[in-house]
Amino acid sequence: DIQMTQSPSSLSASVGDRVTISCRASQMISSYLNWYQHKPGKAPKLLIYAASSLQSGVPSRFSGSGSGTDFTLAISGLQPEDFATYYCQESYSSFTFGGGTKVEI
Amino acid sequence: DVQLVESGGGLVKPGGSLRLSCAASGFTFSTYTMNWVRQAPGKGLEWVSSISSSSSSIYYADSVKGRFTISRDNAKNSLYLQMNSLRAEDTALYFCAREDVLTAGDGYRADAFDIWGQGTMVTVST
Repeated sequence: DIQMTQSPSSLSASVGDRVTISCRASQMISSYLNWYQHKPGKAPKLLIYAASSLQSGVPSRFSGSGSGTDFTLAISGLQPEDFATYYCQESYSSFTFGGGTKVEI
Repeated sequence: DVQLVESGGGLVKPGGSLRLSCAASGFTFSTYTMNWVRQAPGKGLEWVSSISSSSSSIYYADSVKGRFTISRDNAKNSLYLQMNSLRAEDTALYFCAREDVLTAGDGYRADAFDIWGQGTMVTVST
């Protein structure tokens, strides 16, 4: 099974900051990597698919990069509504999620 | 509006059973693969099971294989998860999610869960 490792598990940031979240796959997954945002009590939201493609309706301050085993989610100009937990997910094999990164104020 | 609404969660004793439902609206349910994903308290997301549009392909996570059964009724726009032999570690918020094949700008096609419900809570406890 593919293991997905996110880092850091949590981070503190301020409005306007640029933050980056890393995700590493235990084997090569090409660009089969998605990113989701999840807030308590809400449905998770797809942000990025195929490693770097922005889902329709998602603000352009979100961006994704990487291929193979190493991937990054970047948020440029953090907004109050961006404080949430972010998950990567591989869609190469069995849709395994990373452990999550909580972005806190 | 495109929407998924889960129901059927509750408190059940270890070894008991529960059936979750997911009602879909606003899209052609019968053409999409559907999934169940769960989140245990204080933990991350875990993929549980998937079923293809015609029910011809079904997959389970090892943690639920042999105990859970996914099914769908396309005439009713509904997805189900029959959960038997429940354990304390099955306690979680259960989400249903639509799987779509999305095309990137360079033509790269990849699966992603583009629509999610808000979840239904399952608690397994004495």
